[in-house]
Amino acid sequence: QTVVTQEPSLTVSPGGTVTLTCASSTGAVTTDHHANWFQQKPGQAPRPLIYSTNTLHSWTPARFSGSILGDKAALTLSGVQPEDEAEYYCLLHYSGVWMFGGGTKLTVL
Amino acid sequence: EVQLVESGGGLIQPGGSLRLSCAASGFTVTGSYMSWVRQAPGRGPEWVAVIYTSGSIYYGDSVKGRFTIFKDSSKNTASLQMNSLRAEDTAMYYCASGQWGRPLEYWGRGTLVTVTS
Repeated sequence: QTVVTQEPSLTVSPGGTVTLTCASSTGAVTTDHHANWFQQKPGQAPRPLIYSTNTLHSWTPARFSGSILGDKAALTLSGVQPEDEAEYYCLLHYSGVWMFGGGTKLTVL
Repeated sequence: EVQLVESGGGLIQPGGSLRLSCAASGFTVTGSYMSWVRQAPGRGPEWVAVIYTSGSIYYGDSVKGRFTIFKDSSKNTASLQMNSLRAEDTAMYYCASGQWGRPLEYWGRGTLVTVTS
């Protein structure tokens, strides 16, 4: 059974930079996994941020970026704002099937 | 403007069946990937199923054999037929649309399914 793993929680100071990662139990995450990233705030549906590893949706602020770091997909927030406090989920593709990670709760403190 | 509106959720007993519908506007379901995602209370989202523009269909392991996804081009809808429902299927069910690489680009507001005796 494939498992997608994210850090359960991270804390960052306003204005700081933080990187969230997304690992696959099947091995290294590559561009073939087409990593997507979502932000979710309480009471709302997940909001797409990034797709195909590093492409921002038109509504995504430029302080968000996606990449492959080592053997994981990564989401980096630079110049973190208080409104970035949220849960973040990655989504990976496996031969037609998609799978979410368990999510990272990002606290801005 | 892309809009997705889910309907069909409600209270259902274990073992029962329910059909969720997703009415799409601003685009055609035949030209898009249509997916269902669910989120149980206090949990993260779980990808449920997708129907690609090619007609290929894939399901998550937890629903395989019990749920069926399909599209109706005449009504511009996507639907999820859910059979043999279990308590662990209780969740908000979201419809989502997209294209290759971004399958969950647009989301509906969700419809709540509660499986309880």
